[in-house]
Amino acid sequence: DTAVSQTPKYLVTQMGNDKSIKCEQNLGHDTMYWYKQDSKKFLKIMFSYNNKELIINETVPNRFSPKSPDKAHLNLHINSLELGDSAVYFCASSQDGGQHSNQPQHFGDGTRLSIL
Amino acid sequence: GQNIDQPTEMTATEGAIVQINCTYQTSGFNGLFWYQQHAGEAPTFLSYNVLDGLEEKGRFSSFLSRSKGYSYLLLKELQMKDSASYLCAALDSNYQLIWGAGTKLIIKP
Repeated sequence: DTAVSQTPKYLVTQMGNDKSIKCEQNLGHDTMYWYKQDSKKFLKIMFSYNNKELIINETVPNRFSPKSPDKAHLNLHINSLELGDSAVYFCASSQDGGQHSNQPQHFGDGTRLSIL
Repeated sequence: GQNIDQPTEMTATEGAIVQINCTYQTSGFNGLFWYQQHAGEAPTFLSYNVLDGLEEKGRFSSFLSRSKGYSYLLLKELQMKDSASYLCAALDSNYQLIWGAGTKLIIKP
């Protein structure tokens, strides 16, 4: 009965590879998010997405792309992985997100990405 | 620019009280969140304040002063399991969350 689940939990791969991280939420929420948390533990928003709009943090390289097959899923695809991509990636969701939302976000357990 | 400031690390004793401060500068303001994050785990929601004043929820309370751009999280009767990072995040005028870097709280017996 996990609310926000993401897979894999650990991902170790080589520089230059392409990888995807999957996220699913069973809370019936409207908006999903991807965050990057680096070694300094700072949470940086990468994307927020609902069925109306995709908001991209302009500092995110275009090697990163969110893909949403339906409202309950938001996957993160990363092309040409670089050493600096090593971090923990968190998926999150909230009810009535997007505009005018003050709803709390519910986070997945994170995916620990290590680039060799 | 938009900014959240909170102490990097704090230490407190089991059974005591600790106050974690957060100051924010945002373009507009639509409320402030506190999240708890244990090492290696996901952040979990603790509180949300949008009006001035203190909101109490069990051992945890959160305070907001909009005029001062200031909030604090108060933890009473500290337990070892309260050792975690506490993240302050403010909602700006576009309802975008601006996150602080978190305060690592260490509880000693």
